[in-house]
Amino acid sequence: DTGVSQNPRHKITKRGQNVTFRCDPISEHNRLYWYRQTLGQGPEFLTYFQNEAQLEKSRLLSDRFSAERPKGSFSTLEIQRTEQGDSAMYLCASSTDRLINSPLHFGNGTRLTVT
Amino acid sequence: EDKVVQSPLSLVVHEGDTVTLNCSYEVTNFRSLLWYKQEKKAPTFLFMLTSSGIEKKSGRLSSILDKKELFSILNITATQTGDSAIYLCAVYNNAGNMLTFGGGTRLMVKP
Repeated sequence: DTGVSQNPRHKITKRGQNVTFRCDPISEHNRLYWYRQTLGQGPEFLTYFQNEAQLEKSRLLSDRFSAERPKGSFSTLEIQRTEQGDSAMYLCASSTDRLINSPLHFGNGTRLTVT
Repeated sequence: EDKVVQSPLSLVVHEGDTVTLNCSYEVTNFRSLLWYKQEKKAPTFLFMLTSSGIEKKSGRLSSILDKKELFSILNITATQTGDSAIYLCAVYNNAGNMLTFGGGTRLMVKP
């Protein structure tokens, strides 16, 4: 399978705990995105990497959220001191900068439930 | 701030019906508009539109963009139960490299 891979598929955690998600993009894609989606809503942009550089971050992203892409390949998204409002599907996507309007290719997401 | 609005929010039709989904946008320096289909998990790419008036077609699905009126439509003819999904519209602007999504239209096709 050469698509975008996300782990874990589901995560249930108690409020106040830290969680970390991983995303492996399509191998030749140098752009990587994190989005969050809640029920009945479209995906909401969180952050974007070009290679290992984090180039954009949503103003909505609280300082409890941090993302890394240390070697320009896989990425991790960490949420510290989780809150119930963090419950959502976290989607990762990748694309290439070889095309001006390259479509994003999404993974199946990590569903986070904070109890 | 870029804005994408989709309508209707949800739609229930019977197999064989034709549906039209709408997407309007307000974008600074518009670059392109994309349609995605989301069933249970990952949104999957359907179409990208950059020019007005040029229809993109794939089987029973087609889409067109109007850059003057700032909207796009997605048509599905002879709907099937497998078309049941959330259809998402998203736009790129020239300033950045991220997609801004609308809230989606949930389509249910009944047998």
